Amino acid sequence: DVKVTQSSRYLVKRTGEKVFLECVQDMDHENMFWYRQDPGLGLRLIYFSYDVKMKEKGDIPEGYSVSREKKERFSLILESASTNQTSMYLCASSPGLGRDQPQHFGDGTRLSIL
Amino acid sequence: GDSVTQMEGPVTLSEEAFLTINCTYTATGYPSLFWYVQYPGEGLQLLLKATKADDKGSNKGFEATYRKETTSFHLEKGSVQVSDSAVYFCALRTWGAYKYIFGTGTRLKVLA
Repeated sequence: DVKVTQSSRYLVKRTGEKVFLECVQDMDHENMFWYRQDPGLGLRLIYFSYDVKMKEKGDIPEGYSVSREKKERFSLILESASTNQTSMYLCASSPGLGRDQPQHFGDGTRLSIL
Repeated sequence: GDSVTQMEGPVTLSEEAFLTINCTYTATGYPSLFWYVQYPGEGLQLLLKATKADDKGSNKGFEATYRKETTSFHLEKGSVQVSDSAVYFCALRTWGAYKYIFGTGTRLKVLA
């Protein structure tokens, strides 16, 4: 079974802090994704990566950056946290470009910015 | 661009009732279609999928049929249980695309 592990289930940080959210997958998937989930808005894609050191902006990249130094690890960085970044963050991975391959999700990190 | 539209929730049903959650899509290519479920406090899990027209995906008593003529992929279950209470997401992916397109989710609440 594919396992996507997010480093924290709950995180509380202060405004202006630099915040790192870590995600690791164990199935050698090429693609990794970061989403945020807010009530009434569904899932919104922040960034994704299709290979090591490669990244693409999603629909809401402002205020975020990402890092993928190793294939199994994809980090989301909040450069200077703000209260409007309080949200549930979900990491996902998928293999290649085959359209019938589903994404596999971690359990999420609920981030609060005070 | 590609999009997925789901019925608004929340949907509240009594145990053993019949469930339908509507999902329609628009896609420029020929998509694969997915239903995911999210239980409270957890991430999304794949519930079922279908990859071509008239395919029926099924899992845990849930079913959905890929209807190309109506661009729909409605989720059904004949008899829901309290444990089915969750948020359900419809999604698609087209060939050669990295991104998956999700609906906004439908919350289901099943009462005993």
